[in-house]
Amino acid sequence: AQTVTQSQPEMSVQEAETVTLSCTYDTSENNYYLFWYKQPPSRQMILVIRQEAYKQQNATENRFSVNFQKAAKSFSLKISDSQLGDTAMYFCAFRGSNYKLTFGKGTLLTVNP
Amino acid sequence: EAGVTQSPTHLIKTRGQQATLRCSPISGHTSVYWYQQALGLGLQFLLWYDEGEERNRGNFPPRFSGRQFPNYSSELNVNALELEDSALYLCASSSGTVAAQETQYFGPGTRLLVL
Repeated sequence: AQTVTQSQPEMSVQEAETVTLSCTYDTSENNYYLFWYKQPPSRQMILVIRQEAYKQQNATENRFSVNFQKAAKSFSLKISDSQLGDTAMYFCAFRGSNYKLTFGKGTLLTVNP
Repeated sequence: EAGVTQSPTHLIKTRGQQATLRCSPISGHTSVYWYQQALGLGLQFLLWYDEGEERNRGNFPPRFSGRQFPNYSSELNVNALELEDSALYLCASSSGTVAAQETQYFGPGTRLLVL
């Protein structure tokens, strides 16, 4: 069974600064997908970024980028130029061959003005 | 393009009753997933439906069941409600094509409160 671990329950960052959220996972599969979702207080789960395990290049979406280390089973999210609207719970998720998402427990990120 | 929709937004039931939650996927998506987000337990996979068939099931008792209709919308039914069923129930959908099925898009959720 896959497991996803987010070791930082809470983090805070000043507006316009950069922050990195950590995620590690455990799997015996070779082909899989990794995701970061954000869940603001409105509770809507929003896709931030995804990474295919077979791609060596790290995914980037505007201010969001990942550092994917397949051998280390590490998948961290970097948020550059943090904005107040980035305040949310961030979940790391794994999708393997059974198609279901396995989530970490989340990191609550607060962006301070 | 409309996203995943869920109804109702809130549902209050008493112990022992049945609850029915509904989900409409993004147009063109054929797969629907249900997740439970309970306080202290995190997000847990419940059920996956694709093309009208149940494809996978999480570690939940049989009183959690569902179905997918020909228009790909889905219902989640929870029978004999227990207090610990109180949670946010999230529905997600993905495209039926294999290449695109890796990304699930979520609806706003149904908050179920069991008294």
